Amino acid sequence: ETGVTQTPRHLVMGMTNKKSLKCEQHLGHNAMYWYKQSAKKPLELMFVYSLEERVENNSVPSRFSPECPNSSHLFLHLHTLQPEDSALYLCASSQVQGARYGYTFGSGTRLTVV
Amino acid sequence: AQSVSQHNHHVILSEAASLELGCNYSYGGTVNLFWYVQYPGQHLQLLLKYFSGDPLVKGIKGFEAEFIKSKFSFNLRKPSVQWSDTAEYFCAVNGDNDMRFGAGTRLTVKP
Repeated sequence: ETGVTQTPRHLVMGMTNKKSLKCEQHLGHNAMYWYKQSAKKPLELMFVYSLEERVENNSVPSRFSPECPNSSHLFLHLHTLQPEDSALYLCASSQVQGARYGYTFGSGTRLTVV
Repeated sequence: AQSVSQHNHHVILSEAASLELGCNYSYGGTVNLFWYVQYPGQHLQLLLKYFSGDPLVKGIKGFEAEFIKSKFSFNLRKPSVQWSDTAEYFCAVNGDNDMRFGAGTRLTVKP
């Protein structure tokens, strides 16, 4: 385990469903991130939270809605997704935003939209 | 905006062969550079990082990378690969406060 825990590990959902991905870290980090990993494409930075405030939203469709209730937890709420949203969703954290020392990643949630 | 380019999508080597994976980035300012590795079914792990100083950086498991500023490159090398090095390797750049990744290079090492 890395210290960043993501649940569930796998999720299959229909296009009309609503589901949430959860990320939890107890590393004392102040910044958390959502990335989308698709085959043969660069990891796409979706959202950045620093001290529980969203500081970046990279033109992500509104069907993805993040929530950061405290510095240890990050959620990604999903609704009316499309099949092309199927991917591995990675959560990461760092001491501060853009930390020089790198990010700590979770194992990801493998999402399949049917 | 910064971007990262990894030249090879899939590299296949035999054990004991030497490895070099290319990484180029575009960003005009000061950068921090990283290589991450993702073993099958596992999370992304930091392999090595460069901030400043000696441009030749040594990481875990015998990997090293060389920062060549004039070429905007940060290539990953290993003199002799092992079967256990089979994984996906990601180059990343942190220049303007957020980490940007390349598309990854899948390395397959044949025993």
